[in-house]
Amino acid sequence: DNQVTQSPSSLSASVGDRVTITCRTSQYTDIYVNWYQQRPGKAPNLLIYGGTTLQSGVPSRFSGTATGTEFTLTISSLQPADFATYYCQQSYRNRLTFGGGTKLEIK
Amino acid sequence: EVQLVQSGAEVKKPGESLKISCQASGYRFSRYWIGWVRQTPGKSLEWMGIIYPGDSDRRYSPSFQGQVFISADTSINTVYLQWSSLEASDTAMYYCVRIINFNSGTNTGATFDPWGQGTPVTVVS
Repeated sequence: DNQVTQSPSSLSASVGDRVTITCRTSQYTDIYVNWYQQRPGKAPNLLIYGGTTLQSGVPSRFSGTATGTEFTLTISSLQPADFATYYCQQSYRNRLTFGGGTKLEIK
Repeated sequence: EVQLVQSGAEVKKPGESLKISCQASGYRFSRYWIGWVRQTPGKSLEWMGIIYPGDSDRRYSPSFQGQVFISADTSINTVYLQWSSLEASDTAMYYCVRIINFNSGTNTGATFDPWGQGTPVTVVS
């Protein structure tokens, strides 16, 4: 099974809020997980790789954690530019699978 | 700066063939895996396949194996995605992606960065 379960599928929040998005992989360990942001009409953009490493140029309000098969993306204080769709992506053996996405909307 | 510039939008009929392209710049093209990701309207992302231009080693997602063909031309730093017979279900946005952090021995670590701007493909009769 190569499924990645991402939750929630949508989220309403206000500027300044702290939000967390979760991805759960299958029972395997040693899975590599990345996070991407996609703004409307644009290509996705890498935020975090290897579960916890911030990509160069990405603001420090973004952070990632990895615990076994559970991975989280947290935005500590939402800014207007952060309202977008977020995807996790696992890389395990020959399985490069994306989560279903989380659409983050302004409350 | 690493850049991936894709070919323009396509409108085709079912049964037609198609080849779209992506030209890379700003890095050593032959030294990184590069591939394609599909995004269907209102849906998530699907990895299709990747190629190592240095030796043309290819890896395909089981969902796309036999449905598409990926190739690369190192003389012009360009990767291609082609179909021999399109179907309406191929209507989607296709993104070119460079792969970083990939351990090809264990097939782990694949990270997509950067992404091309996308090529919309519409298949309609």
